[in-house]
Amino acid sequence: EIVLTQSPGTLSLSPGESATLSCRASQSVSSTSLAWYQQKPGQAPRLVIYGASTRATGIPDRFSGSGSGTDFTLTISRLEPEDFAVYYCQHFGSSLWTFGQGTKVEIK
Amino acid sequence: QVQLQESGPGLVKPSETLSLTCTVSGGSISNYYWSWIRQAPGKGLECIGYIYNTGSTYYNPSLKSRVTISLDTSKNQFSLKLSSVTAADTAVYYCGRVGDYALKDWGQGTLVTVSS
Repeated sequence: EIVLTQSPGTLSLSPGESATLSCRASQSVSSTSLAWYQQKPGQAPRLVIYGASTRATGIPDRFSGSGSGTDFTLTISRLEPEDFAVYYCQHFGSSLWTFGQGTKVEIK
Repeated sequence: QVQLQESGPGLVKPSETLSLTCTVSGGSISNYYWSWIRQAPGKGLECIGYIYNTGSTYYNPSLKSRVTISLDTSKNQFSLKLSSVTAADTAVYYCGRVGDYALKDWGQGTLVTVSS
C-alpha cells in the first residue's frame, strides 16, 4: 500500500503570499495518477489538479502542480481569501486509492 | 458537468446496514468509474470503493468484508451498502465520478450517524 504524507500539517500565511504544499509517496507513483483537492468547511472536496500538473476546470492559474516519482508539490501563488482551506493529495493506484492526511492553509 | 446527489437515512442503528444511493444527472452512468468516499468528523478522506460500468468493483481492504457497491443503469444511480455498522462508521459519505485518474465531480455529501 502506498502511503501519502503531506507537509506541513498547517501553513499560516497572509493573503498575497505564496503557499507551497508537499505530498510525498512511500514509493514511486505515476504522475498521471496524482491529484490535489481543496476542501472548505462544510463543503465537498473540489478537484484542483490532476495528472500532477493539470488544472481542473475553473481553477485559476495561480494554482500549479509539479513533481514526479515520490515528491509532488502544489503551489498557490498570490493567495486569495477564498484559497484558505484544507488541501489533500490523492494517488489512484491500480487497485488502491489513497489520500494524504491534508494540509490546512490558514490565514495568519 | 455531471451532478451527483447522495440520498439515504441519516441515522442507522449499530449492527444494521447503511444504505445510500447516488443519483447521477447530466451524464450517463454507463461511462466512467463511480466511487464512494467518506470522511469521519474532523478527519481526512477515505476511499470506500468504486465500480465501473462493467460492474467490476474494488473495495478498501479495511472495509471489504462489509461493503457492496452496485450500479443501476436504468435509474442512472449507484449504491453503497455497508453492513454491521458501528459508531466508527459515522461520517459524511460522498459519491464521486472518476475521470483522468481523479475524482472530477462530487456529490454534496450526506452525514450518516450510527447510534441507537
